[in-house]
Amino acid sequence: DSGVTQTPKHLITATGQRVTLRCSPRSGDLSVYWYQQSLDQGLQFLIQYYNGEERAKGNILERFSAQQFPDLHSELNLSSLELGDSALYFCASSGGTSVTNEQFFGPGTRLTVL
Amino acid sequence: GQNIDQPTEMTATEGAIVQINCTYQTSGFNGLFWYQQHAGEAPTFLSYNVLDGLEEKGRFSSFLSRSKGYSYLLLKELQMKDSASYLCAVIRGATNKLIFGTGTLLAVQP
Repeated sequence: DSGVTQTPKHLITATGQRVTLRCSPRSGDLSVYWYQQSLDQGLQFLIQYYNGEERAKGNILERFSAQQFPDLHSELNLSSLELGDSALYFCASSGGTSVTNEQFFGPGTRLTVL
Repeated sequence: GQNIDQPTEMTATEGAIVQINCTYQTSGFNGLFWYQQHAGEAPTFLSYNVLDGLEEKGRFSSFLSRSKGYSYLLLKELQMKDSASYLCAVIRGATNKLIFGTGTLLAVQP
């Protein structure tokens, strides 16, 4: 158990819909990272927040957005969903701002878009 | 740009030693991670190399050569529970982004 929690575990929805994935980092960690893992692409970095502020951006689509709240939990919003958005979405946390710090991954949310 | 190459699959025998290679080409380099991921589970940290050389941690060791853009993960005394995907990830320059390879699926056979 990494100490990072993600909800929900599974999510099934239809194309065109919008969903929100939630992540709570390990106690004391200020950085939250979001990743997408699909079968054909491996783990893709989406975005990082540190203490409420966006810190780094990866290959995140405009239909996707994220935020980190004052209590440090984070939410990833996915809208206008497409079949290709079906994937495992992982959240990870670390203590510092730098990606050189070890990241602790949550159990993931499996999103299925039908 | 960035490119990270790992073998897609490997098979090894319980009790043996296996070496998983990773080559990378990236504009700037600021360290390399190895993560282990069992099917359907979260990746877990194995090692971090930023300087050339070998880092040993129990049954697992990781090597880095920055001039060659090359790393390997060495697993000794293989156990069945080592069957998993092994992900190589590179920190790209000063962008603070971790770029993952597609992973090597290791199957340990009795």
